Amino acid sequence: GDSVTQMEGPVTLSEEAFLTINCTYTATGYPSLFWYVQYPGEGLQLLLKATKADDKGSNKGFEATYRKETTSFHLEKGSVQVSDSAVYFCALSDQGAGSYQLTFGKGTKLSVIP
Amino acid sequence: GAGVSQSPSNKVTEKGKDVELRCDPISGHTALYWYRQSLGQGLEFLIYFQGNSAPDKSGLPSDRFSAERTGGSVSTLTIQRTQQEDSAVYLCASSFSGGSNYGYTFGSGTRLTVV
Repeated sequence: GDSVTQMEGPVTLSEEAFLTINCTYTATGYPSLFWYVQYPGEGLQLLLKATKADDKGSNKGFEATYRKETTSFHLEKGSVQVSDSAVYFCALSDQGAGSYQLTFGKGTKLSVIP
Repeated sequence: GAGVSQSPSNKVTEKGKDVELRCDPISGHTALYWYRQSLGQGLEFLIYFQGNSAPDKSGLPSDRFSAERTGGSVSTLTIQRTQQEDSAVYLCASSFSGGSNYGYTFGSGTRLTVV
């Protein structure tokens, strides 16, 4: 079945540090890939997405590139801020398996300290 | 409404009691999803409603769990004879269509604690 594996947290960074959160996936079809963010006490919000190989999703300074050859969708940001502290979830939807369902990773908690 | 609304935000119940969790999706969204978020387990798909079609219940963990969606809008997730392992955050999401490429909008969730 489909699965998403993302790096274990928690991750603690100083403000303005570079962020990478690794995400790899397995899928039977040709999935679309997503990053969601959950700020404390809030629901999940779509951060960015990519629907085909080599696409780059970007939003709020975050980027992730769909790499089919390595089945990866790593999240990056050049300079994190305290306000980026949240839990980040990598997810996929598998068009071949029914695109309505998202399969999530376990989440990575990011804490940014001033 | 402007977002997906869930109630209650927190629920503490005694083991063996029944609970009902409510989700009010964004107006006009035809698709509605329930997920469960357990500590350290990520998000687990529970059930999916799309318009008037029969729901996909393949993610419900046991027959103690059921859900309905009335009039294509509000949904209620019911857990009967709650157990401690049911403690989790239950998240509802909605979207314009059944395809997740349109993006889900999630509610803030109901934190259920079974004591």
